[in-house]
Amino acid sequence: EAGVAQSPRYKIIEKRQSVAFWCNPISGHATLYWYQQILGQGPKLLIQFQNNGVVDDSQLPKDRFSAERLKGVDSTLKIQPAKLEDSAVYLCASSSLRRRVHEQYFGPGTRLTVT
Amino acid sequence: QQQVKQSPQSLIVQKGGISIINCAYENTAFDYFPWYQQFPGKGPALLIAIRPDVSEKKEGRFTISFNKSAKQFSLHIMDSQPGDSATYFCAASKETSGSRLTFGEGTQLTVNP
Repeated sequence: EAGVAQSPRYKIIEKRQSVAFWCNPISGHATLYWYQQILGQGPKLLIQFQNNGVVDDSQLPKDRFSAERLKGVDSTLKIQPAKLEDSAVYLCASSSLRRRVHEQYFGPGTRLTVT
Repeated sequence: QQQVKQSPQSLIVQKGGISIINCAYENTAFDYFPWYQQFPGKGPALLIAIRPDVSEKKEGRFTISFNKSAKQFSLHIMDSQPGDSATYFCAASKETSGSRLTFGEGTQLTVNP
């Protein structure tokens, strides 16, 4: 079974520029998550999708971050305009209900550096 | 009420020793407690998880101990190996809704040969 795919793996941009990240979840996983992991910290949820609907975006900075999952499969996360504090690894995870548990599986992440 | 506190921040263990990482949570609605292992440049990988209806779960060299009344849980790595050197994160969620994982701050484990 293929894992969660993410691209690009690395991105360097200047502040005020825009950037987009792509995620392809594990086949058949209805739930998709985007997490932000700042260096030395645990991941923090930005947004959660169930199929193509948003379940939880309470911690998404909506003035600059947006995400979509148009056909209930792939997802994109966009930052516009980027700030220095957005430098982090952006992790995509997906899950499905298995033995009453939503086990979340993470992709390798996209490391964003904002200069 | 959403915090998960993890300690220690870093841990150095000799090969063959026992590594112990502790976590404490505040939200009593949490009902799913996984541990993730993360190597540099990789995403977190699910290691082992427990539900609050049991006090201990063991998988190979990895054991979770869970104390519901104290709102604490811990990861024990028996016979630690250099290949176990990684960052470990505890997490918690309200699993019935497939909700977000709230992560601890992480423990950087180094196992010396």
